[in-house]
Amino acid sequence: QSALTQPPSASGSPGQSVTISCTGTSSDVGAYNYVSWYQQHPGKAPKLMIYQDTKRPSGVPDRFSGSKSGNTASLTVSGLQAEDDADYYCNSYAGSNYVFGSGTKVTVL
Amino acid sequence: EVQLVQSGAEVRKPGESLKISCKASGYSFVTAWIGWVRQMPGKGLEWMGIMNPRDSETRYSPSFQGQVTISDDKSISTAFLQWSSLKASDTAMYYCARSIVPGTWGLWGQGTLVTVSS
Repeated sequence: QSALTQPPSASGSPGQSVTISCTGTSSDVGAYNYVSWYQQHPGKAPKLMIYQDTKRPSGVPDRFSGSKSGNTASLTVSGLQAEDDADYYCNSYAGSNYVFGSGTKVTVL
Repeated sequence: EVQLVQSGAEVRKPGESLKISCKASGYSFVTAWIGWVRQMPGKGLEWMGIMNPRDSETRYSPSFQGQVTISDDKSISTAFLQWSSLKASDTAMYYCARSIVPGTWGLWGQGTLVTVSS
């Protein structure tokens, strides 16, 4: 089980949008509608931002959205704010277990 | 309040054993899967394994099979992660998480820092 592939970094100015990709295979991302995304600030536990590919938990701003095409899922953060500066990880069900992405550091310039 | 509360930081020597805990409260322990995640210093998140407290079915990620043991005690709504012989490379933050909705880990513990050093 290899980690899902994410770009190491992404950045944008306040108010701009940033999109993070998460590439897996037909055995994980492409096989199930179970991609989720997590935000992690330094020294803190991960926080669920998107689940089941596109759904947003209550309390998560609608600036965060998820999508998926084939074996690649994406997280888009629109209208970047200072508090969005964090690490982001995708996660997918892989048949009997789960696999995380390699992580993306989002910097708000 | 629905929460997962993990045991405190631990310092051990290589070769020692260790068992850390994750206590669930505010919901029925047997209604949600529990997972354990490792985060080595400065690195990303890694799944170690998941467990269904309803029947104690446990699935380990290939990298962790045989390296750790995941268990639970339903009488105290607590999940455990255990090592029989720690290595320096086990130094990491360990998180437990809960899944009620399939594919979704919506509740996390605060993490337990394990330091293994001679």
